[in-house]
This record gives sequence, C-alpha cells and structure tokens, in this order.
Amino acid sequence: AQRVTQPEKLLSVFKGAPVELKCNYSYSGSPELFWYVQYSRQRLQLLLRHISRESIKGFTADLNKGETSFHLKKPFAQEEDSAMYYCAAQGRGSYIPTFGRGTSLIVHP
Amino acid sequence: DAGITQSPRHKVTETGTPVTLRCHQTENHRYMYWYRQDPGHGLRLIHYSYGVKDTDKGEVSDGYSVSRSKTEDFLLTLESATSSQTSVYFCAISDIREGTEQFFGPGTRLTVL
Repeated sequence: AQRVTQPEKLLSVFKGAPVELKCNYSYSGSPELFWYVQYSRQRLQLLLRHISRESIKGFTADLNKGETSFHLKKPFAQEEDSAMYYCAAQGRGSYIPTFGRGTSLIVHP
Repeated sequence: DAGITQSPRHKVTETGTPVTLRCHQTENHRYMYWYRQDPGHGLRLIHYSYGVKDTDKGEVSDGYSVSRSKTEDFLLTLESATSSQTSVYFCAISDIREGTEQFFGPGTRLTVL
C-alpha cells in the first residue's frame, strides 16, 4: 500500500536551532516527493519538491532511496518557520498524491 | 495565489441538513480535488475530478458526493451532514502544464452541530 509517514506530530525547537522534519514513504516505483507548508490561517503551498533540488527559505530535502526517506532540514530555525508541514508522494504519471499526517513545527524565540 | 476560491468560507449547520461547498478556479486546470483536514489525520482525499463530468472517489468518500459540470467549478455535497463531517475542507487543482504540484484554495471551515 502507498503510504507516507511523518512520525512526529509536533516538533518544538528554539530559534537558531537546527530542524529536521522526518518523512518516510512506502511507494511502488520512484515517486515524486513534495513538502507542503501551511502557515497559520493560510492555505497550503508547495515548499519544495525533490526533482528541483532547490533550497527554499533555507530548507532543503534530500531523497534517500535506500531508506525511502525525504527529510526536510534547515540549519537555523526562525520564528517565522512555525507552521504545519506536510510530506506528500505521488506516483510517476499520477495526479493523486498521498499526504502524510503532518508535523507542526513551533519555533520559540 | 493561484486563482482558486472556495465558498462559503465558514458554515455552521445542523445534523441531517444538506450542505454544498463550492470550489471555483480561473486557471483552467484539468484536475480538481477535495480534501478534509483534521487534527491527527492530516489531509485526506475525499473525491477528485480529472475533467468535466469525470470524477472518482478518494480515501474518505462515504457521505460525500461531487459534481463538475464546468471546468472551473467543483462542488462537494454532504447529502445529510453528520457531526463527524465537522472539518476544514480544502479544494486543490493541478495540471500538467504546471508540473504535478497542487495549488490549494483558502479552505472552508464546516461545523455540524
């Protein structure tokens, strides 16, 4: 079965600390992987996707096919990073993603 | 933000009443989706559409129906609302011209008393 697992419901850190939001997937083939973010009272928006290999707002995500993981990282968290983060996977050629349950990141001053 | 609107943005209704939520897009995207967002469950797909009059069930479709008579509109109907359908509902769109990412609407907060 296709599954995306985000093991942490809540991650609480202090400003300036490193952050790692975990995402593991179980998917046939080589899925496309995404991180979406939802800031308070805003709509979900794409943060980054693995195929673009870019860094957005200081966040990066490395695809580890051996561990089937796509963890989101930032070396120095900022208060404005506080949000709900969703990992999503989508089969190649599919338009139906599977979302994880989300991780709420709280960055304390 | 992509041109996606949802109406109403907030609704309180009573158990047993019918409710229709509307999603409207101005992007001419082929795919449209309805999700519900609940604490501890994240985002769950209710129904999706891959074209006018072409729809299919998602993970949590029981108690919901959808219709898409025009490219720009995707309606979600709760035929007889129950308290378990209290949630935040998000519409999303996607299209091959924009890659495979999804663009989300602002959400509708539905409370069923």
